[in-house]
Amino acid sequence: ETGVTQSPTHLIKTRGQQVTLRCSSQSGHNTVSWYQQALGQGPQFIFQYYREEENGRGNFPPRFSGLQFPNYSSELNVNALELDDSALYLCASSLGAGRGSSPLHFGNGTRLTVT
Amino acid sequence: GENVEQHPSTLSVQEGDSAVIKCTYSDSASNYFPWYKQELGKGPQLIIDIRSNVGEKKDQRIAVTLNKTAKHFSLHITETQPEDSAVYFCAASIEGNEKLTFGTGTRLTIIP
Repeated sequence: ETGVTQSPTHLIKTRGQQVTLRCSSQSGHNTVSWYQQALGQGPQFIFQYYREEENGRGNFPPRFSGLQFPNYSSELNVNALELDDSALYLCASSLGAGRGSSPLHFGNGTRLTVT
Repeated sequence: GENVEQHPSTLSVQEGDSAVIKCTYSDSASNYFPWYKQELGKGPQLIIDIRSNVGEKKDQRIAVTLNKTAKHFSLHITETQPEDSAVYFCAASIEGNEKLTFGTGTRLTIIP
């Protein structure tokens, strides 16, 4: 069973630039969620994708956007990067929203540094 | 929206002793409460979860208790070992929507 994989592992960007982070979900999982984890904090929900559509969004501005592909992999895009966007971005996959409490399985994250 | 508070933020325990981490939540609609362990450089890993229709769940050295009336739940680790050292997060959600609200974490250090 292949777990959740994320790429790249580390990334350095300049304020104002755009970034794309990638996630491959665990085998058999069709729902992908993205979380932002600032240093010393708990993960915060950004949004979730189910059947290639956004299925819920946390308190993040529209410059955070995403995609889910037919193979259930996903991308997180952040435009107009700000210094406060520096964080660990976590992808989590699960069996399917609405099918009971399917545990979230997290990848090891992408560490984004904005300078 | 849901708010989850977690205490303590740091906890040091002698190897072999027990560790207890406590969380409170605000939304009475929440009914699914997982606990995650995060080691340095890794993503959170689910260690145990509990649903609101049970008051306690145990898995070897780990147990979780839930008091729905008081809106709090706790993680208990017995016979602690050095490999238990990590950051632990509690979380809450409404079962089925899989959108977790996390606590701020507890850094657990096991002293050999």
